Amino acid sequence: QITLKESGPTLVKATQTLTLTCTFSGFSFNTGEVGVGWIRQPPGKALEWLALVYWDDDKRYSPSLKSRLTIIKDTSKNQVALIMINMDPVDTATYYCARAYSSGWRFDYWGQGALVTVSS
Amino acid sequence: SYELTQPPSVSVSPGQTATITCSGGELENKYVSWYQQKAGQTPVLVIYQDTKRPSGIPERFSASTSGDTATLTISGAQPMDEADYYCQAWDSTIAWVFGGGTELTVL
Repeated sequence: QITLKESGPTLVKATQTLTLTCTFSGFSFNTGEVGVGWIRQPPGKALEWLALVYWDDDKRYSPSLKSRLTIIKDTSKNQVALIMINMDPVDTATYYCARAYSSGWRFDYWGQGALVTVSS
Repeated sequence: SYELTQPPSVSVSPGQTATITCSGGELENKYVSWYQQKAGQTPVLVIYQDTKRPSGIPERFSASTSGDTATLTISGAQPMDEADYYCQAWDSTIAWVFGGGTELTVL
């Protein structure tokens, strides 16, 4: 059974740095052909892809947010962290982590999501 | 930057066919996935690699891509299919891009 779960602060202040952790089970980076990504969704708005790290540690970032994002994996702990600097109230959203699988690189398993509110 | 365009809303009566479109440049050359998100819930993958259904997704869900347009079709839509639907495209250049979402109403 594949599960993912996001953890981190629910409230951050503007200009602060957000660090979220995705802890997963049921698959491993060691088996290859997978990635773990982050997607966010502001209240009432659409999904937005943020970043992804592949099994081989290759990393991809959304062009619009690349300067503010860092994604890191810890294969031994089955964890992926997302670091976003210089938070702003417009970054208030539910942040999801999800597994991407190589057949079409679809997001086939998702975490429950973590709501992060940015106060001014 | 690459963009995907979806209609904001689609409405059908129960039992009718619902069609949701997704437009983007050279979309037929990218992998397209579709996600269903019911109110207050996490997105669920319903279509991947343009036309494939994950296990557990009903056969009434189908999709196709031609040119710049991908289409999700729900044949015989049911009230339980009411949700927001998002298309998503991938290739090695654009990475992952989501459409703006379509709210499907079945009533």
